[in-house]
Amino acid sequence: QKEVEQDPGPLSVPEGAIVSLNCTYSNSAFQYFMWYRQYSRKGPELLMYTYSSGNKEDGRFTAQVDKSSKYISLFIRDSQPSDSATYLCATLLGGGATNKLIFGTGTLLAVQP
Amino acid sequence: GAVVSQHPSRVICKSGTSVKIECRSLDFQATTMFWYRQFPKKSLMLMATSNEGSKATYEQGVEKDKFLINHASLTLSTLTVTSAHPEDSSFYICSARDQGGGNYGYTFGSGTRLTVV
Repeated sequence: QKEVEQDPGPLSVPEGAIVSLNCTYSNSAFQYFMWYRQYSRKGPELLMYTYSSGNKEDGRFTAQVDKSSKYISLFIRDSQPSDSATYLCATLLGGGATNKLIFGTGTLLAVQP
Repeated sequence: GAVVSQHPSRVICKSGTSVKIECRSLDFQATTMFWYRQFPKKSLMLMATSNEGSKATYEQGVEKDKFLINHASLTLSTLTVTSAHPEDSSFYICSARDQGGGNYGYTFGSGTRLTVV
């Protein structure tokens, strides 16, 4: 079983739609969760991060972690064509200086104008 | 914010030659840098962790002699793909950890598209 599982999509939505992106993880010890956005032929950029369970909101983006079900979600409200990208969930493995990011497969999102 | 510069962005080389990719942290010092490989429609696979002034730590299955990593300063790590073959063609991405960002302080370069012909 992979440590982080993510539906690769692709996901196509009309402009203005609410987008829901999801991941599951296997290790209940994971505490730090991130969402990265990656445009084509570019490196990932940090979009949202959360610690343990709960919600975090930043503008049109909401990150949610449910540790009881080992489920990570990213919601995008009022989606825009500029949101079209690959979204990768990630968590940290290890501790301190040996932390390593573990990524999901990434979900390719296309927002149609 | 923290910026990581990666060069070249794209390189085509002949089979059997070596290619060097540079990763620089521009406005912070990074004792630890990471090298990833990404296949089309696949996730980032960690290849190795680069530690300034010491040997890199390679992930299981990654050939140390094929992918040489040097982290000679706090702002520069290099990945050299030696005796490249077509199967080494991929998208390589580096990341540097900005201590000021805590557990979320990982900044990525723009990636290098390597094509071996």
